[in-house]
Amino acid sequence: NAGVMQNPRHLVRRRGQEARLRCSPMKGHSHVYWYRQLPEEGLKFMVYLQKENIIDESGMPKERFSAEFPKEGPSILRIQQVVRGDSAAYFCASSPFRRGALETQYFGPGTRLLVL
Amino acid sequence: AQKITQTQPGMFVQEKEAVTLDCTYDTSDPSYGLFWYKQPSSGEMIFLIYQGSYDQQNATEGRYSLNFQKARKSANLVISASQLGDSAMYFCAMRETTGANSKLTFGKGITLSVRP
Repeated sequence: NAGVMQNPRHLVRRRGQEARLRCSPMKGHSHVYWYRQLPEEGLKFMVYLQKENIIDESGMPKERFSAEFPKEGPSILRIQQVVRGDSAAYFCASSPFRRGALETQYFGPGTRLLVL
Repeated sequence: AQKITQTQPGMFVQEKEAVTLDCTYDTSDPSYGLFWYKQPSSGEMIFLIYQGSYDQQNATEGRYSLNFQKARKSANLVISASQLGDSAMYFCAMRETTGANSKLTFGKGITLSVRP
């Protein structure tokens, strides 16, 4: 049973380019979460998605960032017109859904984004 | 106010000894979960242990146990018989159930170094 998959593992972009980060959840998991980790810090929540729905995007910057989790295919975190401050590790996590239960989130290996 | 507080400086422990990593939390939600994750130098986030707010007993997973003191709002991780491979960053995280809030809130982490 494969874990959470993320690609690419490393991504280098120049200022102004677009970055697309992909996440495939664990088999049987219908919930996806994206987190960002700046150097020497803990993870900060960005967005929580279910298939075709954004449930909570309270951690997403208002501009340039978007996320989707289509019916088919991986979840995508898209950053337009990247700036140096976007350089960070971006982690995806997934969990199953059981009503009333606090399910564990399992993390992918992360994508390290470097903006030159 | 911080929801998860990890204030210990870098921790050192001798191989085969036990070590306690501190975590305090703040929430008004009666139902919540507390999680510990390990992040080795390779960067991935590894789930270690989970404690539910209504669990009567402290959680244990192999060499990991959670010293849960609800009245003090603390959830310290105890690692017994430390191994060199335990050297890593350790993050405490909390998940609350308020509304659609399903995100994990992380502390800043603690660096653990195991000495041979």
